[in-house]
Amino acid sequence: DGGITQSPKYLFRKEGQNVTLSCEQNLNHDAMYWYRQDPGQGLRLIYYSQIVNDFQKGDIAEGYSVSREKKESFPLTVTSAQKNPTAFYLCASSLGLAGGEQFFGPGTRLTVL
Amino acid sequence: EDQVTQSPEALRLQEGESSSLNCSYTVSGLRGLFWYRQDPGKGPEFLFTLYSAGEEKEKERLKATLTKKESFLHITAPKPEDSATYLCAVSGGGSNYKLTFGKGTLLTVNP
Repeated sequence: DGGITQSPKYLFRKEGQNVTLSCEQNLNHDAMYWYRQDPGQGLRLIYYSQIVNDFQKGDIAEGYSVSREKKESFPLTVTSAQKNPTAFYLCASSLGLAGGEQFFGPGTRLTVL
Repeated sequence: EDQVTQSPEALRLQEGESSSLNCSYTVSGLRGLFWYRQDPGKGPEFLFTLYSAGEEKEKERLKATLTKKESFLHITAPKPEDSATYLCAVSGGGSNYKLTFGKGTLLTVNP
């Protein structure tokens, strides 16, 4: 079955630590995205990538970093510089950046202790 | 800047009681309007894409419609399993990579 996987489902981190969230897709999609979801707010775009070895900042990139070494993978690192990292993180992919529908993974809930 | 406003924030229905959810938007050159369903603790599930005013799409008890300023998600004879948060998003010509999401409508259908 084609789809997007994210791991882990739950993640706990101490303040001051970096943590990396995994996102893998086997849909053969070119574009991949990271969103953050907080209660009472819409999804907000962190980073996106159209092709391998290229990525762009979204609306709230500060304190986050990404890499795109393979078409299938788009890991997100939440650094200690992110002031309020506790949130639900969603990875998505689409065929391209042409504004078409995006398909989402199951999400990772990050809690900073 | 693209904007999306969804109403109501929350809606409670009895099983079989039909209703509609609203998504009002402002966008420079609409490329697409998207509806998603999200269950608690899960990622959004894609439902529909609408591209132009007058377009309609249906899936089981759901029907999405689009005008130049808003979209409606009509729910006919809902069942408890339709309970979820419904998200609306738009993609505009000014930023063709980006989806702008509304905050969602939490739908609860009581048996």
